Amino acid sequence: EIVMTQSPATLSVSPGERATLSCRASQSVSSNLAWYQQKPGQAPRLLIYGASIRATGIPARFSGSGSGTEFTLTISSLQSEDFAVYYCQQYNNWPRTFGQGTKLEIK
Amino acid sequence: EVQLVQSGAEVKKPGESLKISCEGSGYSFTSYWIAWVRQMPGKGLEWMGIIYPGDSDTRYSPSFQGQVTISADKSISTAYLQWSSLKASDTAMYYCARAGDYSDYWGQGTLVTVSS
Repeated sequence: EIVMTQSPATLSVSPGERATLSCRASQSVSSNLAWYQQKPGQAPRLLIYGASIRATGIPARFSGSGSGTEFTLTISSLQSEDFAVYYCQQYNNWPRTFGQGTKLEIK
Repeated sequence: EVQLVQSGAEVKKPGESLKISCEGSGYSFTSYWIAWVRQMPGKGLEWMGIIYPGDSDTRYSPSFQGQVTISADKSISTAYLQWSSLKASDTAMYYCARAGDYSDYWGQGTLVTVSS
């Protein structure tokens, strides 16, 4: 099973600033990596798939990069609605696996 | 509009059985996998398993193999997650999601509480 490790566990950033979240896979997942956003009391929402392709309706301030084992989600200018928990997920191998999440909080 | 609508919250006792559902609409139900994801209170997302309603091909995470059963009834566009004997540690929110690769649509979640 591929283990996904996200860092940091918690990230404190001020509105308007840039946030950079990391995700590492225990073995190569090629570009088969997705990012999700989850707000309290809500289901997760797909942000990025294919490591760098924004899902429908996702603002351009969200961008993904990386391949193989190292991935990054960047939010270029944080808005109030972006403070949430973010998860990465690999879909290169069975079983699919999620990272443990990064909580993005207001500084 | 693609929608996944899950059954309502459940409160059960340890040892009881349970089957929760996820009804898909707005797309070809038999052409997309449906995954189940667990979220224990205050914790992260855990991928449990997945089913392809077209032919009922099912795959489980090793962590959940033998602990739950995933099934689907394509005639009514509904997937299921069931337990034969619940434990207190099964208390969690359970989400279904249209999947296969990444999950682009999610159900609203079903809260399962297991308590004596």
